[in-house]
Amino acid sequence: AQTVTQSQPEMSVQEAETVTLSCTYDTSESDYYLFWYKQPPSRQMILVIRQEAYKQQNATENRFSVNFQKAAKSFSLKISDSQLGDAAMYFCAYRSGVGAGGTSYGKLTFGQGTILTVHP
Amino acid sequence: GAGVSQSPSNKVTEKGKDVELRCDPISGHTALYWYRQSLGQGLEFLIYFQGNSAPDKSGLPSDRFSAERTGGSVSTLTIQRTQQEDSAVYLCASSRNQGRGRRNEQYFGPGTRLTVT
Repeated sequence: AQTVTQSQPEMSVQEAETVTLSCTYDTSESDYYLFWYKQPPSRQMILVIRQEAYKQQNATENRFSVNFQKAAKSFSLKISDSQLGDAAMYFCAYRSGVGAGGTSYGKLTFGQGTILTVHP
Repeated sequence: GAGVSQSPSNKVTEKGKDVELRCDPISGHTALYWYRQSLGQGLEFLIYFQGNSAPDKSGLPSDRFSAERTGGSVSTLTIQRTQQEDSAVYLCASSRNQGRGRRNEQYFGPGTRLTVT
């Protein structure tokens, strides 16, 4: 079974600065996806960024980027130029890759979450 | 609709009562997932539907929990004889579940907060 670990229950950052959230995972699979989700107080889970394991290049989405270290099974999220709206719970998640016939059964396995506070 | 919807938004029930939670997935999404988010257990998978069948029910915590999906669309999660430990936020997600890329992303609903008193 796959496991996902987020070792930082809480993190804080000053507005406009950079913060990195850590995530490690354990799997014996070679084809998989990794995600960072954001959950504000509204409870709505929002996908921030995704990384496919077969891609060596780190994913980026505007101010959000990841450092994907496949051999180390590490997947950290960097938020640059932090904004007040970035304050939320962040979850790292794992999903198995595409199976036979192109289907992609994808239950997500989540880490415990990191609460990010942004100070003005 | 534009996104995944869930109802009710909040539900308070007495211990021992049955509850039904509803999920309306995005139109055209064949896959539907239920997750539970609780203080003690974090975010955990409950059940997966592909169409109307549930090939993976491995996350259901007890036989008091059941779910069904009809018409390849709406899903209902039923908890019988609720217990205080069932108090949690129940999240539903849907996806196309085909191929790589954004076509297989899971889109989440806003969840139902269940409180068992």
